[in-house]
Amino acid sequence: EAGVTQSPTHLIKTRGQQATLRCSPISGHTSVYWYQQALGLGLQFLLWYDEGEERNRGNFPPRFSGRQFPNYSSELNVNALELEDSALYLCASSRPTSFSSYNEQFFGPGTRLTVL
Amino acid sequence: LAKTTQPISMDSYEGQEVNITCSHNNIATNDYITWYQQFPSQGPRFIIQGYKTKVTNEVASLFIPADRKSSTLSLPRVSLSDTAVYYCLVGVNAGGTSYGKLTFGQGTILTVHP
Repeated sequence: EAGVTQSPTHLIKTRGQQATLRCSPISGHTSVYWYQQALGLGLQFLLWYDEGEERNRGNFPPRFSGRQFPNYSSELNVNALELEDSALYLCASSRPTSFSSYNEQFFGPGTRLTVL
Repeated sequence: LAKTTQPISMDSYEGQEVNITCSHNNIATNDYITWYQQFPSQGPRFIIQGYKTKVTNEVASLFIPADRKSSTLSLPRVSLSDTAVYYCLVGVNAGGTSYGKLTFGQGTILTVHP
């Protein structure tokens, strides 16, 4: 079974630009989660998509947005990039929320975003 | 929103049992407690999840007291490869129509020495 995949592996942008990060969940998983991990910090919850809808959002400004497609893959968009947006962005997926009482999240390898 | 607190770092030696405690005083009735392990430059990996009392799997045990205000991850006989960051996660298990934010603790850096 293929794991969660993310692209690109690395992304370099300059201040003010927009970045688009992509995530493909494990087959059969309908929930996708996005996290930010800045250097030396823990994981900060960004967004949670389930069945195409945004279910929850972390404490991030509106320039962080995303969407989930009918095939359950997801995009994270970061507009008006700032230097402090440089971080590892991790995507995770889980089974349908009504399928199991457990919400185990399987993480991808991440996208390293560098803002210059 | 349940906030979690963990020790910043711990040291141990090969073959010892390691216990990492996470405090979550404001845990909600329908919150589950989950622990993840993360190696450098990798995404976190699920270790164990529980709701109350004790849960055990092939890699760890999770102890949750009756008041559920804390939990302890127990790693038996650690090896050098267990050196990693361990995160405590408290959040709503999405089994119904209510959803909560998923919050990781700051993580505990476990270093296992030879």
